[in-house]
Amino acid sequence: GQSLEQPPEVTAVEGAIVQINCTYQTSGFYGLSWYQQHDGGAPTFLSYNALDGLEETGRFSSFLSRSDSYGYLLLQELQMKDSASYFCAVKGGGSQGNLIFGKGTKLSVKP
Amino acid sequence: DGGITQSPKYLFRKEGQNVTLSCEQNLNHDAMYWYRQDPGQGLRLIYYSQIVNDFQKGDIAEGYSVSREKKESFPLTVTSAQKNPTAFYLCASSRLAGVKSFSDTQYFGPGTRLTVL
Repeated sequence: GQSLEQPPEVTAVEGAIVQINCTYQTSGFYGLSWYQQHDGGAPTFLSYNALDGLEETGRFSSFLSRSDSYGYLLLQELQMKDSASYFCAVKGGGSQGNLIFGKGTKLSVKP
Repeated sequence: DGGITQSPKYLFRKEGQNVTLSCEQNLNHDAMYWYRQDPGQGLRLIYYSQIVNDFQKGDIAEGYSVSREKKESFPLTVTSAQKNPTAFYLCASSRLAGVKSFSDTQYFGPGTRLTVL
């Protein structure tokens, strides 16, 4: 089967750096994605890693290690607006294009 | 503006009634998806469609039905057979379908919050 594990909650203060980890188990790997979802809103795409290493997009970076079936999302210079749930996701196996999502990590940024 | 629209935003249903949730996209995307999200949970796939007039069951298809008569539209019907339909329903689309969509971003609509009374 396919599954993803993330911590359920993380708390940090404004200006800090936080790392949200994701470990996955899949049959056939097509890349790890990260999505952000504010309360009551729709998920929005943040980043995608198909190869090992770090991808940086502004304050957000995402890392992947395929040999460890592990990735993380790194958020720097935290702002209050970063308070949201963050989901890692992998593509479904075979011919499916759908995403398999983790249960999400709720990030709370405190002043 | 291109995007995905879902309607209604809030929907209340009596037990035993079927309801249909609308999803429309003008992004010219091939693939469309329906997800269900329960409080504190991730998204679970209900149905997906990679091409007009074709769709596949996801992980939790029981009690739901879909159609894909037009590329831009993918309505979801929640039937009376769905035992616990109260949830947040999200529709998404992506540019390429099937095995070609290795890195394709999924774009989500604003969601429909369904409550059964």
